[in-house]
Amino acid sequence: KQEVTQIPAALSVPEGENLVLNCSFTDSAIYNLQWFRQDPGKGLTSLLLIQSSQREQTSGRLNASLDKSSGRSTLYIAASQPGDSATYLCAVRRPGYGGSQGNLIFGKGTKLSVKP
Amino acid sequence: KAGVTQTPRYLIKTRGQQVTLSCSPISGHRSVSWYQQTPGQGLQFLFEYFSETQRNKGNFPGRFSGRQFSNSRSEMNVSTLELGDSALYLCASSYQGGGNNEQFFGPGTRLTVL
Repeated sequence: KQEVTQIPAALSVPEGENLVLNCSFTDSAIYNLQWFRQDPGKGLTSLLLIQSSQREQTSGRLNASLDKSSGRSTLYIAASQPGDSATYLCAVRRPGYGGSQGNLIFGKGTKLSVKP
Repeated sequence: KAGVTQTPRYLIKTRGQQVTLSCSPISGHRSVSWYQQTPGQGLQFLFEYFSETQRNKGNFPGRFSGRQFSNSRSEMNVSTLELGDSALYLCASSYQGGGNNEQFFGPGTRLTVL
């Protein structure tokens, strides 16, 4: 059974700091891994998608890596800003059946607070 | 390009009632998935629809059901509501063309059961 774990559960940093969020998963049989951001009471915003054959993806100040063999992914945020404060969720897409691409399995998230 | 839309955004119901939530995917997307988010359990998969067919189902009781229409819009229904059904219900759409299966989420429907 696939399980996704995110450490730490909460993180508080001063503005301008570079930081790393961690995600681990127990089954390496995944299609892809997706990082999301969720603001309080809101839906999920997709940040980065890494296909199972890829090692990393970059978008602006964000860089995500994937190591399938060890079951780990990291999200690196450079030069953090107060506007980055949110909960960051990691999700793996497992293989489906009957033509389905499978569903996302989520971690519980890391709540990030960036202090001015 | 419009994103995923969900209606209504907020709902208050009482135990025993039933509720219907609606989701309109991004134009051109044919796959719609539903997720339940609660503080205790986090995000859990409910079901996935593609071309009006349910292709994948999570571990939820039969009170939770859904359907998809020919225009890819989807509805989910919860019958005989329980207090534990209070949650944020999120809908996600994807193109399902193979390869890049990025899922895009709507703002959610906040359901409160009293």
